[in-house]
Amino acid sequence: GAGVSQTPSNKVTEKGKYVELRCDPISGHTALYWYRQSLGQGPEFLIYFQGTGAADDSGLPNDRFFAVRPEGSVSTLKIQRTERGDSAVYLCASRTGTAEKNTEAFFGQGTRLTVV
Amino acid sequence: SQKIEQNSEALNIQEGKTATLTCNYTNYSPAYLQWYRQDPGRGPVFLLLIRENEKEKRKERLKVTFDTTLKQSLFHITASQPADSATYLCALGVTGFQKLVFGTGTRLLVSP
Repeated sequence: GAGVSQTPSNKVTEKGKYVELRCDPISGHTALYWYRQSLGQGPEFLIYFQGTGAADDSGLPNDRFFAVRPEGSVSTLKIQRTERGDSAVYLCASRTGTAEKNTEAFFGQGTRLTVV
Repeated sequence: SQKIEQNSEALNIQEGKTATLTCNYTNYSPAYLQWYRQDPGRGPVFLLLIRENEKEKRKERLKVTFDTTLKQSLFHITASQPADSATYLCALGVTGFQKLVFGTGTRLLVSP
């Protein structure tokens, strides 16, 4: 596609439920990032993939959070046993990640997750 | 601890003036620094990149400086316009230079 696509754009779920958030990056971008943004804050790093592998998952807050990118393209962020504190906008970004390391990141519009 | 700090208070300026936003970092050794613009309800959009060996970068009305001794970047918008009103985020390229870590952002309001 033309840009990074995230679905759904909004998700309301009950506390304790499981959710999946999807990110479709720009075609050919090998690096993919997940961030979480709370109101009035900057994006908080969660995880980044280089190809199919998680190159750095140091930002995942706990073991309820998990992300996959099985074919090196689409990624899914999975949250188990959701808590109200998980409510935030989840942003996905992609960039070309090979020879030129300091390229710009392209962001999706985000998924607003509300846990009630 | 590692921190990236930007002015948490909104910056209010009059149209036509120069806006200057600050990004300070602690306990990072970035290879480069990027600035992004974010509008409400949207993802950040890339504006400029400056590398550690560069002192200054310009793009149209935008200028970025990078002082690795002071651990600070300044972002300037000259001849500001109401359309420049948005939140501006700085991001450091760290840890193998692929990981992007963002600051808290500064909201800029340009009044006509």
